[in-house]
Amino acid sequence: DIQMTQSPSSVSASVGDRVTITCRASQGINDFLAWYQQKPGKAPKLLIFATSNLELGVPSRFSGSGSGTDFTLTISSLQPEDFAIYYCQQAKSFPRTFGQGTKLEVK
Amino acid sequence: QVQLQESGPGLVKSSETLSLTCTVSGDSISSNSHYWAWIRQPPGKGLEYIGSVFYDGTTDYNPSFESRLTVSVDMSKNQFSLKLTSVTAADTAVYFCARDTFSAGIQRWGQGALVTVSS
Repeated sequence: DIQMTQSPSSVSASVGDRVTITCRASQGINDFLAWYQQKPGKAPKLLIFATSNLELGVPSRFSGSGSGTDFTLTISSLQPEDFAIYYCQQAKSFPRTFGQGTKLEVK
Repeated sequence: QVQLQESGPGLVKSSETLSLTCTVSGDSISSNSHYWAWIRQPPGKGLEYIGSVFYDGTTDYNPSFESRLTVSVDMSKNQFSLKLTSVTAADTAVYFCARDTFSAGIQRWGQGALVTVSS
C-alpha cells in the first residue's frame, strides 16, 4: 500500500491567515492526489483533485500543488468556515489511502 | 443531483456479520465512469478505504479486510453492498459509501452510518 503522511497533525491559525498543509506519499503517485475537508459529524467533502484542480463550487482561496511524492494544500486567507480537518488521499492505486488528517483550529 | 444513502443495522454483535447497503440516486450504478466504494472512520480517528466494486462486479479490496470482506453490486436496485464477517469492537466505525471517480477523486459521499459492535 502507498502510505500518505500529512504534516502538521494540527495547526492553529486566525481568520485571514495563510495556511499550508503538506502531504507526502511513500512512493511516486504522479498527480493522483486529492484533498478533502471534513467537519464534525459530516462526510468528507472533496476540495481538490489531481493535485491542483478545484472541485466545482470550492472557493478559489483553496489551492493545491506538487507532484511525485510531495504535495501541498494552501488556504490563502482563512475564513471562519474553514476550521475543520483536512485529509489528503492518493488515487494512483488500490487500496486508496488517506493521510492521517490535519486539524485546523482557531488560534 | 447524485445522492448516496447507507442503510443497515446500527448494532452488530461481536463475531457476527456487518451488512450495509448503499442506495444510489441521480446516477446509474452501471456507469463505467466510477467505482462504488466503502470507507470507514472509527470514532475520533481518520479515514480508511475498505473496498470498492465496479459496475461489472470487479472488486478491489483493502488487504487489511480481504479475508472477511464482500462488496457487491445490484444493478436492478441501483445499490451496492458491504458484508464484513467476524467483526470485533475494532470494527466500530462510521461507514460511508461513496462514488470514486478515478483520478477525479471521491466526489460523492453518503452521510455515513454508525455501526457499533457489541460484545
